[in-house]
Amino acid sequence: NAGVTQTPKFQVLKTGQSMTLQCAQDMNHEYMSWYRQDPGMGLRLIHYSVGAGITDQGEVPNGYNVSRSTTEDFPLRLLSAAPSQTSVYFCASLSPVGGEQYFGPGTRLTVT
Amino acid sequence: ELKVEQNPLFLSMQEGKNYTIYCNYSTTSDRLYWYRQDPGKSLESLFVLLSNGAVKQEGRLMASLDTKARLSTLHITAAVHDLSATYFCAVRGGSNYKLTFGKGTLLTVNP
Repeated sequence: NAGVTQTPKFQVLKTGQSMTLQCAQDMNHEYMSWYRQDPGMGLRLIHYSVGAGITDQGEVPNGYNVSRSTTEDFPLRLLSAAPSQTSVYFCASLSPVGGEQYFGPGTRLTVT
Repeated sequence: ELKVEQNPLFLSMQEGKNYTIYCNYSTTSDRLYWYRQDPGKSLESLFVLLSNGAVKQEGRLMASLDTKARLSTLHITAAVHDLSATYFCAVRGGSNYKLTFGKGTLLTVNP
């Protein structure tokens, strides 16, 4: 049981490049979410999904796209990277039993 | 809009001492989480508090929830160096699944 996995662990992009951060979970959780963590800011919700085919915006969605074609996968796309998107990105899934939220290991992204 | 405020943001304490971290939130919620994060690592779930008056304990950490006061506390008993980390509370607002996080409390336990 791998839990929540994220790839890559580290990434450096140039301004204007695009990329996809991958997230997968093997716990059959319907609810998944993406957060970014910046120093002194806590975690801020980017996008979330309550099931395959259903996504919605969180607190800081600009510059990011998501889709959810399967229960397992919830990729986050950066359309045109900007230095302000330099951050650590965490994917999470929520268990409906007990409400536990499981976090992936994170992706550290630097945009130059 | 749900706001979550943690205090203190920085806490330096000596081994063996007790202290409390506070988490206030602005609107009704039915679920509150406490997480621990070590430098460069992901978030580790400590507690999920689901109802008013809920109290959970694990080792030297005890969390409680007062939904009427919109307040949760994380109490540290007889701190040890291994507890040094950043602690976050997060609150679920309303009937959706969105969590709002506090800014975190950086705890340093000195010998």
